[in-house]
Amino acid sequence: DGGITQSPKYLFRKEGQNVTLSCEQNLNHDAMYWYRQDPGQGLRLIYYSQIVNDFQKGDIAEGYSVSREKKESFPLTVTSAQKNPTAFYLCASRTGGGNTIYFGEGSWLTVV
Amino acid sequence: DAKTTQPNSMESNEEEPVHLPCNHSTISGTDYIHWYRQLPSQGPEYVIHGLTSNVNNRMASLAIAEDRKSSTLILHRATLRDAAVYYCILSTQYNNNDMRFGAGTRLTVKP
Repeated sequence: DGGITQSPKYLFRKEGQNVTLSCEQNLNHDAMYWYRQDPGQGLRLIYYSQIVNDFQKGDIAEGYSVSREKKESFPLTVTSAQKNPTAFYLCASRTGGGNTIYFGEGSWLTVV
Repeated sequence: DAKTTQPNSMESNEEEPVHLPCNHSTISGTDYIHWYRQLPSQGPEYVIHGLTSNVNNRMASLAIAEDRKSSTLILHRATLRDAAVYYCILSTQYNNNDMRFGAGTRLTVKP
């Protein structure tokens, strides 16, 4: 089935460690997105990529990094520079402008 | 910043219609109006979208103002399963632009 797969679903990290969240899509979509969601809050855009080997910062990019080496993959690294990384992270993708955006099931990151 | 404004929360009774408003006064001619909803601990799911004309699908209806500066998502008969956060966003027609979501409207459905 086509869709977006995020892994892991739940992740615990010690302070000072980097962690990478995986996002893979088989929808042949050009654009991919990473959002952060804190409890009871809306979605905030971290990074987005319109094509392979290109990406742009969203509203809260500090402390995060991404890569887009393949069309299907858009991993997000939460670095130790991110002061408060505990949150729900959502990956999304969509095809040409104006069309529907599809979301993965999300990854819960907890810093312990 | 999100380019849309929505009320933080709304309540509805089960089996009654619900009208969820959204203001987008800076909308451009190529912006589509999209609605998504998010159930707890899940990613948002697509509800409906439109450009100028009103739209209907199996989930909801979208009423777009003549000047396109506002729109309303209509759930014809709310069910308990419709309790969710509803997001209204704008999407440019031609580019894979940044997709910014606001805080959305939290809909509570009372039995």
